[in-house]
Formats: sequence, C-alpha cells, structure tokens
Amino acid sequence: DIQMTQSPSSLSAFVGDRVIITCRASQGISNNLAWFQQKPGKAPKSLIYAASSLQSGVPSRFSGSGSGTDFTLTISSLQPEDLATYYCQQYKSYPLTFGGGTKVEIK
Amino acid sequence: EVQLVEFGGGLVQPGGSLRLSCVASGFTLSDHYMDWARQAPGKGLEWVGRSRAKGENYAPQYAASVTGRFIISRDPSKNSLYLQMNSLKTEDTAVYYCVRLNLNYVVDYWGPGTLVTVSS
Repeated sequence: DIQMTQSPSSLSAFVGDRVIITCRASQGISNNLAWFQQKPGKAPKSLIYAASSLQSGVPSRFSGSGSGTDFTLTISSLQPEDLATYYCQQYKSYPLTFGGGTKVEIK
Repeated sequence: EVQLVEFGGGLVQPGGSLRLSCVASGFTLSDHYMDWARQAPGKGLEWVGRSRAKGENYAPQYAASVTGRFIISRDPSKNSLYLQMNSLKTEDTAVYYCVRLNLNYVVDYWGPGTLVTVSS
C-alpha cells in the first residue's frame, strides 16, 4: 500500500497569512493526488485534483503543486472560513489512501 | 444539482449486519464510478471501496479491512448505491460517506454521511 504522510498535523496562523501543507507519498504517484477540506462537523469537500487542478467553485487562494512523491497545498491568504482539516489522497493505485490530515486553526 | 444522501446508519451489535443506501439525484448514477469512504470518531478518512461504472459492469474494489465482509451494489432503477456490511466489528464504527467520481475518474462530490455504531 502507498503511505501518505502529511505535515504538519496542525498549524495556527493569522488571517492573511500564507499557509503551506505538505503531503509525501511512500512511492511515486505521478500527479494522481487530490486534496480535500473538511470543516468541523461536515463532510469533506473536494478542493484539488491531479495535484494542481482546482475543482469548480474553489477560491483561487487555494493552489496545489508537486509530482512524484512530494506535494503541497497552499492557501495564499488565509481566511476565517478556511478553518478546517485538510487531507490529501493518492489515487494512483488500490487501495486508495489518505494522509492523516492537517488541522488549520486561526490565531 | 448533484446530490448524494446516505441512509441506513444506526446501532448494531458486533457480528451483525447493516445495509447503507446512497440515493443520488441530479445525475445518472450508472455513468459514474462511486466510492464509499468512512471516518471513525475523531479520526481521519479511510477509503472503503469502489463500484465502477456500468460500462465496466459495476466491478467492485475493496479495502483489505472490509474484503469478504462488505459488498457494494447498485440499483439503477432507483439511482442508488448500497453498502452491505456483514460480520461487523467495533472498529467499523464510523461515519460512512458516499462519494462520486466525475467522468474523468476524479472525486468531486461527497454525501453528508451516515453514522454506524457497532457496539454491544
């Protein structure tokens, strides 16, 4: 199975800050990576697919990059509504696997 | 508008069975790959399994943790997806989500989830 490791597990930042979350795969997955946002008490929401493509309706302050084993999710200017836990998922091979999540808090 | 709504969660004893339903609207379920995912209380996300689209005979794929116990099926006439869960264990306690993949095989929509509690 491909292991997905996210860091940090949690972070706290000010509104307006640039936030970077990393996700590392235990083997190469090309660009077969998605990012999801889960707000407290809610279902996950799809943010990014193919490592860097934004889902329709996702604000442009979110961006993704990377290929192979190392990926990042960047929030260019953190907003109060971005309070959430963020997960990466590889879909290169079965079983599909998620990272452990990064909880983003607002200072 | 695409909507997914899960039904059928509840309390069940270890060793018991439960069937979850996911009713889709706003699109034709048969055309899409569909996943089930779950989230144990206070934990991260776990992929449970997949049902491929009609063109691939709805062929399933399962996580090792549920293989031989869980079965994914569909009823195209009801535009619905099912997860039959047998031989349930306490570690199957979780919110179960129905997940749609778009026609490029990318996850795009999640249902709100239904809670399954396995406890005596």
